[in-house]
Amino acid sequence: QVHLQESGPGLVKPSQTLSLTCTVSGGSITSGDSHWNWIRQSPGKGLEWIGSVFYSGGTYYNPSLKSRLDLSVTSSKNQFSVRLSSVTAADTAVYYCARARVDGSIDYWGQGTLVTVSS
Amino acid sequence: SSELTQDPAVSVALGQTVRITCQGDSLRDYYASWYQQKPGQAPILVIYGKNNRPSGTPDRFSGSRSGNTASLTITGAQAEDEADYYCNSRESGGYHLVFGGGTRLTVL
Repeated sequence: QVHLQESGPGLVKPSQTLSLTCTVSGGSITSGDSHWNWIRQSPGKGLEWIGSVFYSGGTYYNPSLKSRLDLSVTSSKNQFSVRLSSVTAADTAVYYCARARVDGSIDYWGQGTLVTVSS
Repeated sequence: SSELTQDPAVSVALGQTVRITCQGDSLRDYYASWYQQKPGQAPILVIYGKNNRPSGTPDRFSGSRSGNTASLTITGAQAEDEADYYCNSRESGGYHLVFGGGTRLTVL
């Protein structure tokens, strides 16, 4: 059973960079054709796909966030990470890390971590 | 980028059948996946592919597709099915993912 766990600061100041890491256990981040995703949910709103990274380092970004976004993978630690720069209050959300299969279905989700952007 | 459209809210009487729909161009190329989310919890996958249920998904849940519209059907809705439901798919031509806006299901 694959388990994902988000970690990182729960409070970020406006204009600074949000950084989160997802640790994968119960399976290798390099296995199969899975790709590793970040998804967020603003309070009371729907799910928004942020982007995905393959263990090879290939990335796909939501066009609306691309200019501020950097996703990376650290295979040796079975982790992947997100950095979102120049944050504003609109970036306040629960951030989920998740594993997607080739067909786009997301079979494993982290529990989510709330990140608040506030001074 | 493409979009997926869902009705914001649907209600169903206990024990009756309800269909939740998801519409978008990407669904002509890729099947939708469906997720159930209850308050304060992460989403869970309930349907994927043509009509596949992960272990743990009750068989009252089923999926289908016609053209650019995917449907999640709950046959004999139970009180515990009250939740938000989201569809997603890959975007045509790449690995970008897209989500629908979600449907809040109320079981009366």
